[in-house]
Amino acid sequence: QQPVQSPQAVILREGEDAVINCSSSKALYSVHWYRQKHGEAPVFLMILLKGGEQKGHEKISASFNEKKQQSSLYLTASQLSYSGTYFCGTEAGYGNKLVFGAGTILRVKS
Amino acid sequence: NAGVTQTPKFQVLKTGQSMTLQCAQDMNHNSMYWYRQDPGMGLRLIYYSASEGTTDKGEVPNGYNVSRLNKREFSLRLESAAPSQTSVYFCASSEAWQKQYFGPGTRLTVT
Repeated sequence: QQPVQSPQAVILREGEDAVINCSSSKALYSVHWYRQKHGEAPVFLMILLKGGEQKGHEKISASFNEKKQQSSLYLTASQLSYSGTYFCGTEAGYGNKLVFGAGTILRVKS
Repeated sequence: NAGVTQTPKFQVLKTGQSMTLQCAQDMNHNSMYWYRQDPGMGLRLIYYSASEGTTDKGEVPNGYNVSRLNKREFSLRLESAAPSQTSVYFCASSEAWQKQYFGPGTRLTVT
């Protein structure tokens, strides 16, 4: 079942922060995050495994709450280069298929 | 080191025509995937191959067939194209279900 992402879209000014959420109705083994710029292929950001760990990538970090079956992606001090569509992908068990959410469109304005 | 390559980049088909989308990776990955991307729907898995010689259905396999030709190549075939198959198709590769590397995509229009 497809995870639910929120919000569907968000507009920021440079320097502002944003949070993108990803929720599943199933127990999760892992959550993957990807970013896709317009007209390009998705690019990997990070994987979080169950255990509630928080991982970071530049000024982008994420957390995974396995009890709530949700993950959040945190973008701090946003830059123009952060614009794009962010997808979460969830895995119900090790080696299970990855199911992607519908995406969150992020636009950063100067 | 090209990563994941896909051909063609663009294709227009008439309803009922057939075609094969080609994908190749040079990272020695065992797993390869075909996704389709439609507006507002995210990436949906069509078929995947966990290793050379194996293929499995994903979420939306109807109307498609795949071949894992060798470890490098994974092709997707549309036997009788339909307008509902108008989409952007991405091939990806990875080790197991780890970090996936995506190709540049094929934009397919079926009229």
